[in-house]
Amino acid sequence: QSVLTQPPSVSAAPGHKVTISCSGASSNIGNNDVSWYQHLPGTVPKLLIYENNKRPSGIPDRFSGSRSGTSATLGITGLQTGDEADYYCGTWDDSLAVGVFGGGTKLTVL
Amino acid sequence: DVQLVESGGGLVQPGGSLRLSCAASGFIFSNYWMDWVRQAPGKGLEWVAKIKGDGSEKYYVDSVKGRFTISRDNAKSSLSLQMNSLRAEDTAVYYCARTPGNHWVLDYWGQGNLVTVSS
Repeated sequence: QSVLTQPPSVSAAPGHKVTISCSGASSNIGNNDVSWYQHLPGTVPKLLIYENNKRPSGIPDRFSGSRSGTSATLGITGLQTGDEADYYCGTWDDSLAVGVFGGGTKLTVL
Repeated sequence: DVQLVESGGGLVQPGGSLRLSCAASGFIFSNYWMDWVRQAPGKGLEWVAKIKGDGSEKYYVDSVKGRFTISRDNAKSSLSLQMNSLRAEDTAVYYCARTPGNHWVLDYWGQGNLVTVSS
């Protein structure tokens, strides 16, 4: 089991909105910033969100992030078929002194 | 442009050793923490290790402690992962990645290198 908990899958229709949750603990999300990664099969993981809610250059504002307490959320609006991928949250865990990822959420755009 | 180019993967027998390398360019290598992340077949991302810019601090996931060693050569802008006593469960695509600043975030990733541990 992963230290961070994500739903295994989410789905929504093109043009709609979806949210992906990431639940942790005080030693990780509760005390450290969260980042989100998009991983399309056969490609390199791409940073989508860092420091909970910031987007790197080139990431459209359809992607957003938030953190509250020991949970974080990734939001994607205006879904496109090209958004179909695995999404991972990640942060540092102070107690374990390790980087931790969620188990990943597979997004299907129906 | 930031580039991370990995090399050194391949097939190795259980109990064997392998060394992965990651050549960095396009940024001041010594200013950044660097990490290794892996993905086993059909599984999610797993963080493996990280090393501070000057090499003075290193951290490992428990499953590789005592078997893997992360190191760097700042003069050559190169990151390495020495993997000993390899097990079947170490089979994965291994990525090197860069961490900017003081927050743990992986902003640039290498292309990935497959390591297969099998007899």
